[in-house]
Amino acid sequence: DAGITQSPRHKVTETGTPVTLRCHQTENHRYMYWYRQDPGHGLRLIHYSYGVKDTDKGEVSDGYSVSRSKTEDFLLTLESATSSQTSVYFCAILAYSGNTIYFGEGSWLTVV
Amino acid sequence: TQLLEQSPQFLSIQEGENLTVYCNSSSVFSSLQWYRQEPGEGPVLLVTVVTGGEVKKLKRLTFQFGDARKDSSLHITAAQPGDTGLYLCAGWEGGSYIPTFGRGTSLIVHP
Repeated sequence: DAGITQSPRHKVTETGTPVTLRCHQTENHRYMYWYRQDPGHGLRLIHYSYGVKDTDKGEVSDGYSVSRSKTEDFLLTLESATSSQTSVYFCAILAYSGNTIYFGEGSWLTVV
Repeated sequence: TQLLEQSPQFLSIQEGENLTVYCNSSSVFSSLQWYRQEPGEGPVLLVTVVTGGEVKKLKRLTFQFGDARKDSSLHITAAQPGDTGLYLCAGWEGGSYIPTFGRGTSLIVHP
């Protein structure tokens, strides 16, 4: 258990509204990631962070922004949710020993 | 961008059968990992292989890293319903902190 908590775990929102997903870790890991997982596409990297206020884009970053003001928290914001952003979102951290990625339990987002 | 191709995409078998899942790339990775994801949960690391030709065993699961470090396989002997899940491979380039994930193999083992 790498001490990763995602919130909310489930959310239904309307098209055009902003949505923020939170990832909280308890073990001070430097690297944090946000992925989305969709059938047929596997895990796709949205954004990642390599330190406080240090973030970079992944392969599917359009329509998403992130912030990391504290080591333990990594926020993912959908600025104006669209139906194509209905997905399962996973936060993850990198544990340096063995380059292991630990994933959170996921946040199920439905945009109607 | 490095790509990892997994095959097959889906596998539905009976309890007791053997199976092999493949993870292939045209690029070289410094290490390769296999994760298993159960429904409603995040992926969990099963194994990391780092040396070309390396073979690791985890009970009924056997993992192999190709000699050229471009491919890997996962073999399950006498599959059980508890093996049901999505199997993902992930490759690491030397010096990178961003793994490349395959799209996964969805395995269903029927009792």
